Amino acid sequence: ETGVTQSPTHLIKTRGQQVTLRCSSQSGHNTVSWYQQALGQGPQFIFQYYREEENGRGNFPPRFSGLQFPNYSSELNVNALELDDSALYLCASSPGTSSNQETQYFGPGTRLLVL
Amino acid sequence: QKEVEQNSGPLSVPEGAIASLNCTYSDRGSQSFFWYRQYSGKSPELIMSIYSNGDKEDGRFTAQLNKASQYVSLLIRDSQPSDSATYLCAVNPPWGNEKLTFGTGTRLTIIP
Repeated sequence: ETGVTQSPTHLIKTRGQQVTLRCSSQSGHNTVSWYQQALGQGPQFIFQYYREEENGRGNFPPRFSGLQFPNYSSELNVNALELDDSALYLCASSPGTSSNQETQYFGPGTRLLVL
Repeated sequence: QKEVEQNSGPLSVPEGAIASLNCTYSDRGSQSFFWYRQYSGKSPELIMSIYSNGDKEDGRFTAQLNKASQYVSLLIRDSQPSDSATYLCAVNPPWGNEKLTFGTGTRLTIIP
């Protein structure tokens, strides 16, 4: 157990709908990163939040947005869902010391199915 | 060229043997390297991290890094059926600050 929690565990939505996924980081960690993992692929970086500010973004469209709260928990919002958004969404937390040697610890993930 | 490349496998290894997993990366300035294990339907779990050239051992696991060749590997000694999983290689690029780039993973099966 990494101490990182995510909710919900599973979700089914239809194309065009909006979804919000939630993540609570490990105690003492102020950095949260979100990844999308399609079936048979490695996780793809979506974006990262450090102390409530976006701190880098991967190659995802603007309909993927996020938020980090003062307690360092985080949300991932996806608007106008598409079939290709079906994936495992992973949240990872890290201490946020700006060192390149920091380790990210993953939560259990949210499996999203878009019909 | 993909930023992080792994053989997708599947790689089958007899129980008790050594499993060798390989990964190459394209960005020469990358600083930190991670191996994660992912069981089917679960999230990635950190196995090893390595930052300097050479070997790093932790129990049955040894990570090897060669920055000149842009190559990182993971050896699993005395393989057990519980080691059957997908192994993900992740690299923190030089602009990085923990924005990991993952390979597609190698599926490892340990045969009893």
